[in-house]
Amino acid sequence: GAVVSQHPSWVICKSGTSVKIECRSLDFQATTMFWYRQFPKQSLMLMATSNEGSKATYEQGVEKDKFLINHASLTLSTLTVTSAHPEDSSFYICSASGDGAKNIQYFGAGTRLSVL
Amino acid sequence: GNSVTQMEGPVTLSEEAFLTINCTYTATGYPSLFWYVQYPGEGLQLLLKATKADDKGSNKGFEATYRKETTSFHLEKGSVQVSDSAVYFCALSRNSGGYQKVTFGTGTKLQVIP
Repeated sequence: GAVVSQHPSWVICKSGTSVKIECRSLDFQATTMFWYRQFPKQSLMLMATSNEGSKATYEQGVEKDKFLINHASLTLSTLTVTSAHPEDSSFYICSASGDGAKNIQYFGAGTRLSVL
Repeated sequence: GNSVTQMEGPVTLSEEAFLTINCTYTATGYPSLFWYVQYPGEGLQLLLKATKADDKGSNKGFEATYRKETTSFHLEKGSVQVSDSAVYFCALSRNSGGYQKVTFGTGTKLQVIP
């Protein structure tokens, strides 16, 4: 099956610093990638959708300048949390879908971000 | 808009018990339906799916049937194991702007005790 790798799995950073999270599709070309945020004991909240080579589409209420998304290739998307603060601490999950199975999203293992 | 409602947890069962986790949805047209499983500290894994009415998705002993008349996609397993302990998410996807947008339920935590 399709594999999506997300790195790092856990990151701790100081308040005010920026953190980059990578999402890679290992065995398929991901035309669309999605970034979700999950709060403890809650469901996934879609933050943004990105298509390769174009700007990401952000969901209402998500700060574009805070959460920078880049989808420069068909196998890599990055989420950068800029000037992170403790309230940004959360579990971030990416997913990817490709032309071969457009109605299925394959998920990464997630990144736990802790901002001190 | 689209929405998914699933039964609240946590659900606690003894090993080998029968499992049902209810899921109903609201959507226009014909969405695809999914069950995802999330083990502690991990991301989501696709458990099973169904893309049209009366389809039955199945995997690892779990089953769910796409019931359009009742707008439901209940998850069942005849005999649960301790290793099935996880959070289960029901979800639907619909085409939105050229890609499939997924709407998740709130998740149901399952705990299976020996």
